Amino acid sequence: AQSVTQLDSQVPVFEEAPVELRCNYSSSVSVYLFWYVQYPNQGLQLLLKYLSGSTLVKGINGFEAEFNKSQTSFHLRKPSVHISDTAEYFCAVTLSSASKIIFGSGTRLSIRP
Amino acid sequence: DAGVIQSPRHEVTEMGQEVTLRCKLISGHNSLFWYRQTMMRGLELLIYFNNNVPIDDSGMPEDRFSAKMPNASFSTLKIQPSEPRDSAVYFCASSRGVDGTEAFFGQGTRLTVV
Repeated sequence: AQSVTQLDSQVPVFEEAPVELRCNYSSSVSVYLFWYVQYPNQGLQLLLKYLSGSTLVKGINGFEAEFNKSQTSFHLRKPSVHISDTAEYFCAVTLSSASKIIFGSGTRLSIRP
Repeated sequence: DAGVIQSPRHEVTEMGQEVTLRCKLISGHNSLFWYRQTMMRGLELLIYFNNNVPIDDSGMPEDRFSAKMPNASFSTLKIQPSEPRDSAVYFCASSRGVDGTEAFFGQGTRLTVV
């Protein structure tokens, strides 16, 4: 069975600093990988996804993630964060269209001015 | 499209009462997921459907919880009887059910059982 691990429950950074949110997955077969963002009192929305091809995926709001098969990682990065990036970020994995989407425990990103 | 629509947005009920949460899928989507989110347990998958058929309900906490899809565009999650520990935000999400497509989430229902 597949699983997702987000080791950092909270990541505080200063505004305009770079940030990396870590995600590792476990699966014996190929997976599709996603990053979602949840702003306060809202549902989750998709930031980006990796299906195949180029291992560097670009998403909305200046975020990008890199798929590393050998390290089974899919870390999310942004070179310069803004106050508006304050949110909780979830990494997710799925095997195929008919299987469940498994989410990590989330990482709360807090931006300090 | 209006997106996934959940109702009500907030529900406060007394312990022992029946609670019904509702979800309208995005048109053309055929996979439906119910999640529960709490501070302690994070985001938990309760059940998911594909083409109106429940595929995996292993996340449903106990027999007090039940979910249905009476048609291709609508789902309900019922808790009977409700307990204070059921207090959480419940999310519904849908997807096109095609390889690699993401799930689209509703705004959630914040349930408080007193």
